[in-house]
Order: sequence, then structure tokens, then C-alpha cells
Amino acid sequence: GDSVTQTEGQVTVSESKSLIINCTYSATSIAYPNLFWYVRYPGEGLQLLLKVITAGQKGSSRGFEATYNKETTSFHLQKASVQESDSAVYYCALSERDTNAYKVIFGKGTHLHVLP
Amino acid sequence: GALVYQYPRRTICKSGTSMRMECQAVGFQATSVAWYRQSPQKTFELIALSTVNSAIKYEQNFTQEKFPISHPNLSFSSMTVLNAYLEDRGLYLCGAREWGGQNTLYFGAGTRLSVL
Repeated sequence: GDSVTQTEGQVTVSESKSLIINCTYSATSIAYPNLFWYVRYPGEGLQLLLKVITAGQKGSSRGFEATYNKETTSFHLQKASVQESDSAVYYCALSERDTNAYKVIFGKGTHLHVLP
Repeated sequence: GALVYQYPRRTICKSGTSMRMECQAVGFQATSVAWYRQSPQKTFELIALSTVNSAIKYEQNFTQEKFPISHPNLSFSSMTVLNAYLEDRGLYLCGAREWGGQNTLYFGAGTRLSVL
């Protein structure tokens, strides 16, 4: 089936250090999946951080970036220098490309804790 | 910009009672609304998709008899959890898709349901 696997549990990084959260996907029933990173700050809902709909392309937002790698079925989230305000839960997700599609499949989430 | 509001943010209900939650799209026309649940220690599961002028589609393990949904117009949807029990606790998210937009869901902050 279709699934998303990402770095589980909590990741702790010191402020100004680099970050990578791994994400791999399996899209057996979706020929051309769209890939997303969502973020949930404490007390808030899910926010779209970035999305990429074409293999080989890179998405970026707020200093974060992720590249859609079809060969390795990966969509790792990276940031060169994290800030304390980046502390949140990050979810990797995929969905169908069809604009009528609705089913977003989420990973289990990675809790990023940035130390001041 | 596109915003989604959910109400209430938190609620507590007695076991066996019912609880209604609302979802409001602001700044865009939400032709489709997807309801998700995040149970403790789990990722987000799709409950159902509601599309204006179409039948509501429920995912496996979720039924209309348990989670009736109303989607009367392009800005509002509600879902009721009937006869709530401990296994129904969690965070319920509403995700709305923009009319004519790309394959992106905008999420509200969620309704957190606790069951006593």
C-alpha cells in the first residue's frame, strides 16, 4: 500500500546547527504522488510548510528545503541553521496528483526540539 | 489568504454522549472538506471526504452512523461523533481544499476530544 516513513520520535538540535529529517515513501497505487511537509507548532493546527509535485524538483520555505527524489523515493527535510522557533512537529505526507484527490497519507511525525 | 477555523478547540464529553465539531473556511471556497483524526500515539487517519453536491465518502473503519457529516455550502462543514467512547478521543482535523486550486489541503487547528 501507500505509506510514508519518517524519522520517528524526537530530534534535538542546538540552535544554529543543521537539521535533516528523513522521509521515504511508498506509492504503489499512485503513479505521480505529490509530496508535502506539514508543520504543527504547539497549540496550532497543521500548516503546509512546502510541497513538490514534480520529481527532481526542490521545494523551499522558511529556510527549509526538500527535494523530490523518485529514484530513492525520498523527500528529506533539511535546514542549514535551525532556530528555537522551529521547534514543532513535522509531518511528511503524500497524495495523488489529481486535483480531485483528497486522501493525504501522513507519516507519524517528528518532534523537533531546538535547544537555545 | 486561505484560513480554516475549527470550533471548539477542546471539548470533553461523557462516555456514550455525542459531540459536534465545526469547520469554517475563510478566504476561499472549499469544495471538498476532509476530516481526519489523530488518536494518541498515532498519525492522522482520514475519516471521510465531503464534497459539495456529491455523496460523502467514508474510509474503512469509519461510518456515517458514527460520524455523520454535514457540508451545506462552500465555507462550512460539521461532523458529529455519536456515542463517543474512550477510543474516539484524539485530535480531529478539518482539511479544506480550495476550489480550482492545486492538490493542497488547508487545515484548521483541530478539535481535541477527551472522553470521560
